[in-house]
Amino acid sequence: AQKVTQAQTEISVVEKEDVTLDCVYETRDTTYYLFWYKQPPSGELVFLIRRNSFDEQNEISGRYSWNFQKSTSSFNFTITASQVVDSAVYFCALSESWGGFKTIFGAGTRLFVKA
Amino acid sequence: DAGVIQSPRHEVTEMGQEVTLRCKPISGHDYLFWYRQTMMRGLELLIYFNNNVPIDDSGMPEDRFSAKMPNASFSTLKIQPSEPRDSAVYFCASTLGALGETQYFGPGTRLLVL
Repeated sequence: AQKVTQAQTEISVVEKEDVTLDCVYETRDTTYYLFWYKQPPSGELVFLIRRNSFDEQNEISGRYSWNFQKSTSSFNFTITASQVVDSAVYFCALSESWGGFKTIFGAGTRLFVKA
Repeated sequence: DAGVIQSPRHEVTEMGQEVTLRCKPISGHDYLFWYRQTMMRGLELLIYFNNNVPIDDSGMPEDRFSAKMPNASFSTLKIQPSEPRDSAVYFCASTLGALGETQYFGPGTRLLVL
């Protein structure tokens, strides 16, 4: 069965610190997709990144970077030089090919960035 | 392009009343999803449609919940009768096509059942 674990419930950092949000997933499928979404205090869910199981290249987008390691079933998200505007809940999610379009979300990590 | 549109944004009702939540997906998207978000259970998929046809409603909590998609640009989620434990944020999302495509979420409807 598919499962997504975000062990960090809350993280608090001071502005300009780097922070890594962990995501560990479980799947028996060989074809799957991983996602990160951001939910700011305003409540909407904002798509950040999608990665398929055949592409283990890390990705960098500005201050955001993602580290996908199939060997450890992890898809971690790092924010470099954090800013107050990064304060939000971040969700990792998994879709499997056998599961059709069912996307399972982790419980989320609430990030507080203090000025 | 307009994103996913949901209405109302906020709904306060009394226990026993009927509640109808509405969603307009992104034009051209052929999959539509309804999710519920609570503190206790996180984000749960309730039901999803492909080309207006319900594909999987195994996440619908009970018979009090029903969802319809009469056409490609409109879906409703109805709760009748509503109960306080239905209080949550309900999100609608849409996507185009194949497995693994990104789901785009609406702003959500915050429901409070007193």
